[in-house]
Amino acid sequence: NAGVTQTPKFQVLKTGQSMTLQCAQDMNHEYMSWYRQDPGMGLRLIHYSVGAGITDQGEVPNGYNVSRSTTEDFPLRLLSAAPSQTSVYFCASSPGGGGSSYEQYFGPGTRLTVT
Amino acid sequence: AQRVTQPEKLLSVFKGAPVELKCNYSYSGSPELFWYVQYSRQRLQLLLRHISRESIKGFTADLNKGETSFHLKKPFAQEEDSAMYYCALMSNTGKLIFGQGTTLQVKP
Repeated sequence: NAGVTQTPKFQVLKTGQSMTLQCAQDMNHEYMSWYRQDPGMGLRLIHYSVGAGITDQGEVPNGYNVSRSTTEDFPLRLLSAAPSQTSVYFCASSPGGGGSSYEQYFGPGTRLTVT
Repeated sequence: AQRVTQPEKLLSVFKGAPVELKCNYSYSGSPELFWYVQYSRQRLQLLLRHISRESIKGFTADLNKGETSFHLKKPFAQEEDSAMYYCALMSNTGKLIFGQGTTLQVKP
């Protein structure tokens, strides 16, 4: 299993540009999430999905869109990039449910710089 | 409000010294708590969860409901323990809430 994969690894955008960060998992997990990691702020949840066709907002959703058309894929779209979106973005998946199913499996991250 | 607080950004200890990474939470009800670790150039991974009361790589964490704490401890730090550590709480809506993270630096 490849686990959780993310592309690209690095990206530089100009203010106002749009782009999509890709995330895929091959573990048949129902739950998928996007986080951003900023110094001193920890990991903050952007959007999450509890299954194909179902998405919801996390703590910091403004400026980002998601969709979940398949169980495997959960892309994150930046609509109009701003310097405040400079961050490291992590995608994660988990089986869902209770107990040990709460463990989240993380992708390697995408480092995004907006100039 | 459901919240996780890690008061230390950086904890620096010498090899062989005891380590305690602090984590406090705010949650009404029975919390599900976790410690995640991110080693240099590796992805974030689960270290341990309170529900299984396990010891991983010599680390333990005990839930103290009275003090609303879930501190991570290890009696003798090793250089390979140097990493970023995150405490996390499962919210009542199924979302994982992370603390700000603590960088552990173990000096030789």
